[in-house]
Amino acid sequence: EAAVTQSPRNKVTVTGGNVTLSCRQTNSHNYMYWYRQDTGHGLRLIHYSYGAGNLQIGDVPDGYKATRTTQEDFFLLLELASPSQTSLYFCASSDTAGGGRNTLYFGAGTRLSVL
Amino acid sequence: GDSVTQTEGPVTVSESESLIINCTYSATSIAYPNLFWYVRYPGEGLQLLLKVITAGQKGSSRGFEATYNKETTSFHLQKASVQESDSAVYYCALGESGGYKVVFGSGTRLLVSP
Repeated sequence: EAAVTQSPRNKVTVTGGNVTLSCRQTNSHNYMYWYRQDTGHGLRLIHYSYGAGNLQIGDVPDGYKATRTTQEDFFLLLELASPSQTSLYFCASSDTAGGGRNTLYFGAGTRLSVL
Repeated sequence: GDSVTQTEGPVTVSESESLIINCTYSATSIAYPNLFWYVRYPGEGLQLLLKVITAGQKGSSRGFEATYNKETTSFHLQKASVQESDSAVYYCALGESGGYKVVFGSGTRLLVSP
């Protein structure tokens, strides 16, 4: 069974603060993704990566950076957090063919509040 | 654009009653969409419930079923008899074959009362 672990599970910061969300997968998957979910919206893709050192822009990238340091680890960075980034963040992974056909494996989510 | 619309929750059902959660999709840029239902139990991440990649086919898992209907662009989730343990948030999703793109619905919270 795929394992995707996110940390922290909850985070509170202030406007202008610096936040890093971490994600580790232990399934040797090539693809990793960061999504956000807001009430009334489906999950929206922020960034994704298909390998260490690779980064691709998703659908809602503004205000976010990401870095894939190893095959296992994918980080989401908010360098100047704003209240509009208050959301539930999910990390996911999938095998080489990508999430459009193959199963996405999700972490339990990080709830971020920006005051 | 591509989109997924599903039943707005919460949906409240008594144990042993039947369930249907509606899902319709629009795939304007995805030529051969794949359809998914994901479920998120409290405190957990989303997990795949079922998927269908061929129009006209039915997927099933844990007593849930959904049929990929290309004519009506629908992928409704059904279960004949729900259990309290089915209480969760259910997400319909549309995926692009061979690609990364997945479009999610906003989720439907299901509450099953004993």
